[in-house]
Amino acid sequence: SSELTQDPAVSVALGQTVRITCQGDSLRNYYAIWYQQKPGQAPTLVIYDRNIRPSGIPDRFSGSGSGNTASLTITGAQAEDEADYYCNSRDSDGSHLLFGGGTTLTVL
Amino acid sequence: QLQLQESGPGLVKPSETLALTCTVSGVSIRSSSYSWGWIRQPPGKGLEWIGTIYYGGGTYYNPSLKSRVTVSVDTSKNQFSLKLSSVTAADTAIYYCATPYCSTTSCRFDFWGPGTLVTVSS
Repeated sequence: SSELTQDPAVSVALGQTVRITCQGDSLRNYYAIWYQQKPGQAPTLVIYDRNIRPSGIPDRFSGSGSGNTASLTITGAQAEDEADYYCNSRDSDGSHLLFGGGTTLTVL
Repeated sequence: QLQLQESGPGLVKPSETLALTCTVSGVSIRSSSYSWGWIRQPPGKGLEWIGTIYYGGGTYYNPSLKSRVTVSVDTSKNQFSLKLSSVTAADTAIYYCATPYCSTTSCRFDFWGPGTLVTVSS
């Protein structure tokens, strides 16, 4: 079976750039989706199909990917970006869905 | 604007069946533009996809839960539901309903309910 691997925690200084990564074999064939989750709230979609932002998501959020790795980059991190971030993809056979374990982002 | 709201018992006894409902507003559940899904999150842990029902009735479930899960749609009430049988404490989680939009290259959850906490305990 497939899985998606994320670093458990990442920190960034206010205003600096941070990259959150997601690794998995399924990412060679399927786009990564990224969600932001703040405490006590449901997840919110921030990037889909590798690098498309839904309406209302600031342009400091961007996505990229190569091979088995997808990345979410926040350029000029703000205090309100402190949250958990999850990647999501179809699994290698395409019929099931996977979530990464999540990355907790701390903005210092 | 599409909105989702989960409802159901907050406490379920071990070995019993967890049953949750997601009420859809703002769109007909019969719409061919939408599919319907469930995701859960144990307290302090990550997200886990449970299952999805697609337009036309096809269902896909997490292989680790497949033997215990049923997702169905009630068009008369504009709702869809989750049933998870033979629950244990490991099934204690916040359960979210959500709308998956799937293409050949991805499957994203555009809209989410606020979530409902279900605790499995005697």
